Amino acid sequence: NAGVTQTPKFQVLKTGQSMTLQCAQDMNHEYMSWYRQDPGMGLRLIHYSVGAGITDQGEVPNGYNVSRSTTEDFPLRLLSAAPSQTSVYFCASSYGGRDSPLHFGNGTRLTVT
Amino acid sequence: GESVGLHLPTLSVQEGDNSIINCAYSNSASDYFIWYKQESGKGPQFIIDIRSNMDKRQGQRVTVLLNKTVKHLSLQIAATQPGDSAVYFCAESTDKLIFGTGTRLQVFP
Repeated sequence: NAGVTQTPKFQVLKTGQSMTLQCAQDMNHEYMSWYRQDPGMGLRLIHYSVGAGITDQGEVPNGYNVSRSTTEDFPLRLLSAAPSQTSVYFCASSYGGRDSPLHFGNGTRLTVT
Repeated sequence: GESVGLHLPTLSVQEGDNSIINCAYSNSASDYFIWYKQESGKGPQFIIDIRSNMDKRQGQRVTVLLNKTVKHLSLQIAATQPGDSAVYFCAESTDKLIFGTGTRLQVFP
């Protein structure tokens, strides 16, 4: 049981490039979400999904897209990377949404130059 | 606006002592609270949660106390060990989950 798996662990992009951060979970959780973590700030929600085929925006969705074609996978796409997107990104899942504990992956550290 | 704050950014304790990490929340409608532990280079790890109909909940070496009157949450770690060194976050939940900025716990031998 691997839990939540994120790839890659590290990534450097140039401004304007696009990329996809991968997230997979093997716990059959319906709820999945993406957060970014910046120094001095709490985790901020980017996008979330309550099940396959359903996605919604969180607190800071601009510049990011998501899709949920399967229960297991929830990729995050950066459309045109900007230095402001330099951050650590965490994918998380839970069985019951906002009032059940989130299980986090180990993050992707992204640097945009 | 809504906020989740911490009284101390860094807490240093001696191995074997008890640790208390505090958290203040501002939304009286919050009904679910969670503590996470984050070690360097890793994702947050769930420690313990508590719902607003409870005042106290105990786990293995950890206790969460909830004081709704003053909107205060605390995490107590008994017999703190070097492996407890990490950043600890609290989070509150209403229609969304709001994370605090974290307290760094340092354990000295």
